[in-house]
Amino acid sequence: ELKVEQNPLFLSMQEGKNYTIYCNYSTTSDRLYWYRQDPGKSLESLFVLLSNGAVKQEGRLMASLDTKARLSTLHITAAVHDLSATYFCAVVTDYGGSQGNLIFGKGTKLSVKP
Amino acid sequence: KAGVTQTPRYLIKTRGQQVTLSCSPISGHRSVSWYQQTPGQGLQFLFEYFSETQRNKGNFPGRFSGRQFSNSRSEMNVSTLELGDSALYLCASSLDSLSIQYFGAGTRLSVL
Repeated sequence: ELKVEQNPLFLSMQEGKNYTIYCNYSTTSDRLYWYRQDPGKSLESLFVLLSNGAVKQEGRLMASLDTKARLSTLHITAAVHDLSATYFCAVVTDYGGSQGNLIFGKGTKLSVKP
Repeated sequence: KAGVTQTPRYLIKTRGQQVTLSCSPISGHRSVSWYQQTPGQGLQFLFEYFSETQRNKGNFPGRFSGRQFSNSRSEMNVSTLELGDSALYLCASSLDSLSIQYFGAGTRLSVL
């Protein structure tokens, strides 16, 4: 059974600092998604990572995927308050012959303080 | 360009009833996925439809079903509602299952 672990689950950081959120998963997968959710709101897709070594960047966020280590990272550069939200990773796993099932991490609640 | 529209936004039902939720994807998007979010279980994938065919399914009982119409609109049905079905149900559309997804605002279902 595929397990997806995010850490940390809670992250309080100061504006201007850098930090990394980690997403580890337990079985083979070469497709991983990152999402953002603001309190009381829906999900927003951030990145789709489709192969080993994939790196994507949008603004102050950069995501990477290492399928051999079964690890994805979401790096935050020079954090600003607007990045405060909960971040989820989700991993696709082959399931029963279909194209796949998404398994989500528990989410990392990020709070950026001035 | 209109976004993903989910209706209704809020629903209150009682145990044993059934419910149908609707999702209208972004024009041109053929993939529609459904997710359930609860405080206890977190985010869970329900199913994905592409061109009227269910391609992927999460670990949910048969009470949860869905379908997709030729115009890509999708419906999700839950029969014999249980208290534990109370959740935020999210729908997302994308061009295909490898593309970025766009989410609707969600339907919040309360089962009493």
